[in-house]
Amino acid sequence: EVQLVQSGAEVRKPGESLRISCKGSGYSFTTYWINWVRQMPGKGLEWMGRIDPSDSYTDYSPSFQGHVTISADKSISTAYLQWSSLKASDTAMYYCARLSTAADMDFDYWGQGTLVTVSS
Amino acid sequence: DIQMTQSPSSLSASVGDRVTITCRASQSIRRYLNWYQQKPGKAPKLLIYAASSLQSGVPSRFSGSGSGTDFTLTINSLQPEDYATYYCQQSFNTPWTFGQGTKVEIK
Repeated sequence: EVQLVQSGAEVRKPGESLRISCKGSGYSFTTYWINWVRQMPGKGLEWMGRIDPSDSYTDYSPSFQGHVTISADKSISTAYLQWSSLKASDTAMYYCARLSTAADMDFDYWGQGTLVTVSS
Repeated sequence: DIQMTQSPSSLSASVGDRVTITCRASQSIRRYLNWYQQKPGKAPKLLIYAASSLQSGVPSRFSGSGSGTDFTLTINSLQPEDYATYYCQQSFNTPWTFGQGTKVEIK
């Protein structure tokens, strides 16, 4: 069974750093890109970026480029989303999602989400 | 960026109704259009990919159509478990973008 399991909820202060994780299982982790999607409270879905776990090539949305870093450790089938300096506006639910194939390019499996709260 | 516009933003429907949600892209995206369902407190779930292909395990009352800039998600005979928010998403080019969502509520 394909599963993406994300790390638990986090509370941080503005200016702090944070890394959340997404562990894949039940499939070949290096075969499928992992994406990160933001959902701010009461709002819609925003694609942040993606990583190819086989070589760690990344592709970011311009809206998020420079503010977050996506990485992966294929040896433990885990992708990461990282901030070096959080803002209150980073408060949101963050989902990882697997890109199905290069042909269809849909998000066929999703993690359960990680709630990040940034507050002083 | 390609803008995706859904309509309506919300609708009320009764069990058994036929529901249609539309999604318009700001430029042609051929058939690179996916639909997701999201229930409160849950991750989105893929329903339709490549405009009209039903994801495995999704009930056949869900269907998708369209190409170019105009797309439709149809739910035939709405069921209680279908009350949720639905999002379209283009995968024609990055940055991949979603519509703003359509909330389907109980009438």
